[in-house]
Amino acid sequence: GAGVSQSPSNKVTEKGKDVELRCDPISGHTALYWYRQRLGQGLEFLIYFQGNSAPDKSGLPSDRFSAERTGESVSTLTIQRTQQEDSAVYLCASSLIVTVGGTQYFGPGTRLLVL
Amino acid sequence: TQLLEQSPQFLSIQEGENLTVYCNSSSVFSSLQWYRQEPGEGPVLLVTVVTGGEVKKLKRLTFQFGDARKDSSLHITAAQPGDTGLYLCAGNSGGSNYKLTFGKGTLLTVNP
Repeated sequence: GAGVSQSPSNKVTEKGKDVELRCDPISGHTALYWYRQRLGQGLEFLIYFQGNSAPDKSGLPSDRFSAERTGESVSTLTIQRTQQEDSAVYLCASSLIVTVGGTQYFGPGTRLLVL
Repeated sequence: TQLLEQSPQFLSIQEGENLTVYCNSSSVFSSLQWYRQEPGEGPVLLVTVVTGGEVKKLKRLTFQFGDARKDSSLHITAAQPGDTGLYLCAGNSGGSNYKLTFGKGTLLTVNP
């Protein structure tokens, strides 16, 4: 089947505008993750969804960031009132089960540029 | 905050050469993973190591987890242009099964 898909692949926006990023996980994967990758930096964990459990939002950098997931399918990451420091690649990953060292399958990312 | 330091940050070598990249931390990890990321793509998992001292081989790639589970290395033998990419290590502290701490990566270029 298809891998993790993300849209849009690129997004250019003006400072202060809101943006929505979408992630379609691999079918059947109960766990979904969002990461941010700034230029020259490693991946930063943002948020984690597992089934119907409350999401782990501990990585969200500010209250301008929020994410939702509908059941075990699509997720959207919303950034309100974007700032230039939000410019980064936003990566989504999904996994079938959650175990120590379990495999996370990443999408190609959305490249966000805030002017 | 757990940190993973990767070195070198950049590495440019000729085809056929050997290389080693390192991933170090002052923290203990229950598992450590290595990923390769190509331009415009998400990271792809190469290997997971969970036991101190563990060595895993994947064709020309050899991965080692330190005895104290604080560090790891990736050795590539006879590098090929297809090995070019960003190599990332990621550790799991064990406090939660899903939260990974990533290093900044080593950008490897193998010139033909």
